[in-house]
Parts: sequence; structure tokens; C-alpha cells
Amino acid sequence: GQNIDQPTEMTATEGAIVQINCTYQTSGFNGLFWYQQHAGEAPTFLSYNVLDGLEEKGRFSSFLSRSKGYSYLLLKELQMKDSASYLCAVMDSNYQLIWGAGTKLIIKP
Amino acid sequence: NAGVTQTPKFRVLKTGQSMTLLCAQDMNHEYMYWYRQDPGMGLRLIHYSVGEGTTAKGEVPDGYNVSRLKKQNFLLGLESAAPSQTSVYFCASSSGGFDTGELFFGEGSRLTVL
Repeated sequence: GQNIDQPTEMTATEGAIVQINCTYQTSGFNGLFWYQQHAGEAPTFLSYNVLDGLEEKGRFSSFLSRSKGYSYLLLKELQMKDSASYLCAVMDSNYQLIWGAGTKLIIKP
Repeated sequence: NAGVTQTPKFRVLKTGQSMTLLCAQDMNHEYMYWYRQDPGMGLRLIHYSVGEGTTAKGEVPDGYNVSRLKKQNFLLGLESAAPSQTSVYFCASSSGGFDTGELFFGEGSRLTVL
């Protein structure tokens, strides 16, 4: 079966750096997405990786290793507003999105 | 700029009742989707549409029907609600398929079936 694994919850300190990991086992691979979802709100797009390597976008970076079935989202200079759930999703060989359950990130002052 | 709008935001139903969730987008997107989100699980695709007048089944279509009579609207119907359909429902749209970029989500509709 297809599977996306992410830690359920992580805690970090304001101003610090946190890395949220995502491992996947899917039938084929056509790209990996990261979305942010604040409690009670809609998911919003953060990043898309289809090739190996690091994509940087401001304080957020996303890394992909296709051979390892692994990605991470790196958040720098954490702010209280970064408290949210982070959803990893993989597009399989049929161009369908498979979603992880999300990682709830708690930022402490 | 409204984006994707869902109505209603909250609804409580009794088992066996029917209802319709409405999704409207003002971005002229071809693709629209209905997902459900349950605690401890990833988003699951119920039905989707690749254009006006077309619909297709997703991962968990049973107990739901959809219609896309107008490009900007995508309706999700529950024919006979069951407690297992208690969930948060999200509508999303995109300019193309999943491989063309991001999905734009509505704010969600929280449904409770008693």
C-alpha cells in the first residue's frame, strides 16, 4: 500500500530552527508538496519538489531525496505564527495526491 | 478576492438526513476537488472534477454524490448521512491537475452526524 509518515507533533522555541521529516512509500513518484494548516483553517501551499535537492523560499526550505523516499521541511527563525500543522503530500504514478496525517508544530516563547 | 468559498461552515445532521455542501471558486479554475479530513489521517479525496459537466470518484466516494453544472461551482451531496461521515470537508481548486501546482482550499465545512 501507499504510505506517508510524518511525526505527529513537534515542539520548538521561538527564534530557533526546526526540521520536519516526511518519508514515503508510493507507487511511483511525480512530486512532493508541503502545505501549512493553522488550526481551524484551510491548508495553504508552501513548496513543491520534484528533483533531488534543496528548494529555499525565505525562512522555509524543503529538501527531497527520491532514492531514500525522504523529504524534510526546514523552518528557520521560528515565529509564534509558525505554530500550525504541516502536511506532506506525494503525487504518485497516477498523478494522485497521497497525504500524510500532518505534523503539529508547537512554538514556545 | 474570495478564492474558494464553502457553505455552510457548520452543520449538524441526524442519521438518515440529506444535505448539500456548496463550493464556489472565482479563479476560473478547471479542476475542483472535495476532501474530507479526519483526526490522525491525511486528507482523503472524495470526488473531483476536471471541468464543467465532468466528475470522477476519488479514494472514498461511497455515500457521496457530486455535480459540476457550472465551472465555478462544485456541489457535494450526502444522500443519507451516517455518523461515519462526521468530518471536516474541504473543497479545493486548481488551474490544472495535481502536477501543475498548488491547490487552493476553502475554509472547510464541519459536519456532525448524530
